Amino acid sequence: NAGVTQTPKFRVLKTGQSMTLLCAQDMNHEYMYWYRQDPGMGLRLIHYSVGEGTTAKGEVPDGYNVSRLKKQNFLLGLESAAPSQTSVYFCASSFVGYDYEQYFGPGTRLTVT
Amino acid sequence: AQKVTQAQTEISVVEKEDVTLDCVYETRDTTYYLFWYKQPPSGELVFLIRRNSFDEQNEISGRYSWNFQKSTSSFNFTITASQVVDSAVYFCALSEAFGNEKLTFGTGTRLTIIP
Repeated sequence: NAGVTQTPKFRVLKTGQSMTLLCAQDMNHEYMYWYRQDPGMGLRLIHYSVGEGTTAKGEVPDGYNVSRLKKQNFLLGLESAAPSQTSVYFCASSFVGYDYEQYFGPGTRLTVT
Repeated sequence: AQKVTQAQTEISVVEKEDVTLDCVYETRDTTYYLFWYKQPPSGELVFLIRRNSFDEQNEISGRYSWNFQKSTSSFNFTITASQVVDSAVYFCALSEAFGNEKLTFGTGTRLTIIP
């Protein structure tokens, strides 16, 4: 079991460029999440999905889009990157229910110059 | 709205000392879960424990113990006889039964164990 994997691990973008972060999980989890981690702010939820074909906004969704075309994959897109989106991005997945722990990927460090 | 507060931003202790990390939460739900995650210097997030709102029993796992008190809305984490490998950022998190399974994280406590 690979668990939760994220691609790429590092990326540098120029302002205005676009990119897609890929998250994949092999645990048959229904729920998937995208977080960003910034110094002193903990992890903040960007978007999440409760099943294939469904997505919803989290706490900080502006500037991001997501898609969940397959159960095992959850994509995070930045259409026009801004320096404020410089952050570490974590994907997570879990079984259905508020009582299950989330499993996290290794993170993607994104720098926007 | 749910909220998790970890007032200790950074803590440093000498190896073998005991240390307690504080976590205070706010929620309107009567049914919820509390979690602790560890983020070592390598960056990944590691699940440590979950506790539901109906179970106030303290939990012990080796050198780790957790004290859940609903009366003070706290879920504190104690490391006994700390070791250098315990150096990490520790996050407390809350999930409400009617919160769409979303986790609300505290801002984390950076723990440094001095050899």
